[in-house]
Amino acid sequence: GAGVSQSPSNKVTEKGKDVELRCDPISGHTALYWYRQSLGQGLEFLIYFQGNSAPDKSGLPSDRFSAERTGGSVSTLTIQRTQQEDSAVYLCASRPTTFWDDNEQFFGPGTRLTVL
Amino acid sequence: GESVGLHLPTLSVQEGDNSIINCAYSNSASDYFIWYKQESGKGPQFIIDIRSNMDKRQGQRVTVLLNKTVKHLSLQIAATQPGDSAVYFCAERNDGGTSYGKLTFGQGTILTVHP
Repeated sequence: GAGVSQSPSNKVTEKGKDVELRCDPISGHTALYWYRQSLGQGLEFLIYFQGNSAPDKSGLPSDRFSAERTGGSVSTLTIQRTQQEDSAVYLCASRPTTFWDDNEQFFGPGTRLTVL
Repeated sequence: GESVGLHLPTLSVQEGDNSIINCAYSNSASDYFIWYKQESGKGPQFIIDIRSNMDKRQGQRVTVLLNKTVKHLSLQIAATQPGDSAVYFCAERNDGGTSYGKLTFGQGTILTVHP
């Protein structure tokens, strides 16, 4: 079946502009995660959505970052007033939560954001 | 997703050799430890996991070893193939509050397999 998709695949923006990154998780996956990956670095957790529960926003680096998940499916990550240090690959992952011990997160291909 | 960088640890092996990738973790309260593989231009892909109360777990051509005494995790790949070339990340799972399945990733190791 279809995997996790993200759009756009690449985004180049100017410093100070707002950007929106989209994630379409695998149908039926109730958990959705956003991560950020800078060049040569591991993945940095940003935010987590689980069903109708309040999201875990503990990884968002500043109040310029926000995310929402509409209807328990599609998610949008918004970065306001982008800065050059926001340049990274933004990865989305989804996970079925049928079993507590299922650790497999399914990742999308990512959106490469470049802030000039 | 971009994964290759100049400062990641690297491991080069010949095709057919066994590979061992190591990871030091920080949180002794982690519930699970997981290995992911990331090929160039793609998102990470799950390989294998191990629960914190286990020492060893085997999969197809892969074995994960957990040493809680020294907070060390390793991934062994048997008969390494060129298709195994990628960046390998270890990750810890910590469930806290209402956040389940949240992962903390390590820096990654670049594995290069030479034919």
